[in-house]
Amino acid sequence: GQQVMQIPQYQHVQEGEDFTTYCNSSTTLSNIQWYKQRPGGHPVFLIQLVKSGEVKKQKRLTFQFGEAKKNSSLHITATQTTDVGTYFCAYMEYGNKLVFGAGTILRVKS
Amino acid sequence: SQTIHQWPATLVQPVGSPLSLECTVEGTSNPNLYWYRQAAGRGLQLLFYSVGIGQISSEVPQNLSASRPQDRQFILSSKKLLLSDSGFYLCAWSSSGTVRGTQYFGPGTRLTVL
Repeated sequence: GQQVMQIPQYQHVQEGEDFTTYCNSSTTLSNIQWYKQRPGGHPVFLIQLVKSGEVKKQKRLTFQFGEAKKNSSLHITATQTTDVGTYFCAYMEYGNKLVFGAGTILRVKS
Repeated sequence: SQTIHQWPATLVQPVGSPLSLECTVEGTSNPNLYWYRQAAGRGLQLLFYSVGIGQISSEVPQNLSASRPQDRQFILSSKKLLLSDSGFYLCAWSSSGTVRGTQYFGPGTRLTVL
């Protein structure tokens, strides 16, 4: 099946800097979900985007779904040490199966 | 509210030994259930999923198997573990009634095969 590519694989930022991770697909997606996994923890659902061009915000986190529904981004404004972890995008395939991207590891220097 | 349990939390097993990991969900009926494996620093690999009792779909050929003996119980097994079976095993559930299937993960089992 198709895959989603996440970039970058890894990013190390200074606390207070912004951070963005991108999720790209070669084909149109029906929806995109974002998950966060803290070091040593399990993935936790953050948000789901369904509509073309959709933008959703959760405090310092901004999620976008592209107009063509082939890409998505997660932007964190003014990172904090609590933001560290791996951020995964995922899309729904047939049979209620989620296909996950490889994830972006975020490290924050205080 | 719904909760998902996994045990054990950590496990160290010798090569060639059997494996049984258990996952149970509370507070929901007829959930979709999933087993994932995550190698250190890597993404999530879907191993098995189930839409009902006794219904198992395998995603990756391997020496692992899964069973769903009860509606809210999902078991991952192996008759003989390999070194390559080491990893973080995550169980997840989603509501069978939703199309878009947000998944909720359990705390995971860290398996080390020596």
